[in-house]
Amino acid sequence: AQSVAQPEDQVNVAEGNPLTVKCTYSVSGNPYLFWYVQYPNRGLQFLLKYITGDNLVKGSYGFEAEFNKSQTSFHLKKPSALVSDSALYFCAVRDWGTGGFKTIFGAGTRLFVKA
Amino acid sequence: DAGVIQSPRHEVTEMGQEVTLRCKPISGHDYLFWYRQTMMRGLELLIYFNNNVPIDDSGMPEDRFSAKMPNASFSTLKIQPSEPRDSAVYFCASKDGDTGANVLTFGAGSRLTVL
Repeated sequence: AQSVAQPEDQVNVAEGNPLTVKCTYSVSGNPYLFWYVQYPNRGLQFLLKYITGDNLVKGSYGFEAEFNKSQTSFHLKKPSALVSDSALYFCAVRDWGTGGFKTIFGAGTRLFVKA
Repeated sequence: DAGVIQSPRHEVTEMGQEVTLRCKPISGHDYLFWYRQTMMRGLELLIYFNNNVPIDDSGMPEDRFSAKMPNASFSTLKIQPSEPRDSAVYFCASKDGDTGANVLTFGAGSRLTVL
């Protein structure tokens, strides 16, 4: 069965410091992996995706994620955090087990960036 | 395009009342998903449609929940009768199945409070 795990409920980082939000996955087919962000009182917004190709994927707002097949991880990173990055971040995987049309989301990691 | 439009944004009702949530997907998107978000259970997929046809409703919690998509530009999620445990934020999302990337576009959500 497809699944994603976000081991940290919360990540705290100081503004200007690099940030990492962790995600590990389990899939039976090719891993289509995604990161979404949710700001307060808003819906989820797509940040970036990995389907194939370079292991380092660049997305919106300066975020990037590194696909690591051997460690089955897809960690979200940003070289320099901003206070405005504070939000809820979701890792997600395409569910090939049900025809590939569903997306399974992790539990979410809340990022706090302190000024 | 104005994105995925959901209404109402907030709904407060009393136990036993009928609740109807509405969604207008992005024009041209052929998949529509209904998700529920709670602190305890995270983001849960309730049901999804392809070309207005319900494909998988295995996430619908019980018979009190029903969803319809009478045409490509409108979907409803109905709860009858509502219960306090139905209090959550309900999200509608849509995607273009032809792109193959499986990226979802979410609405802003409908926050339901059942007293």
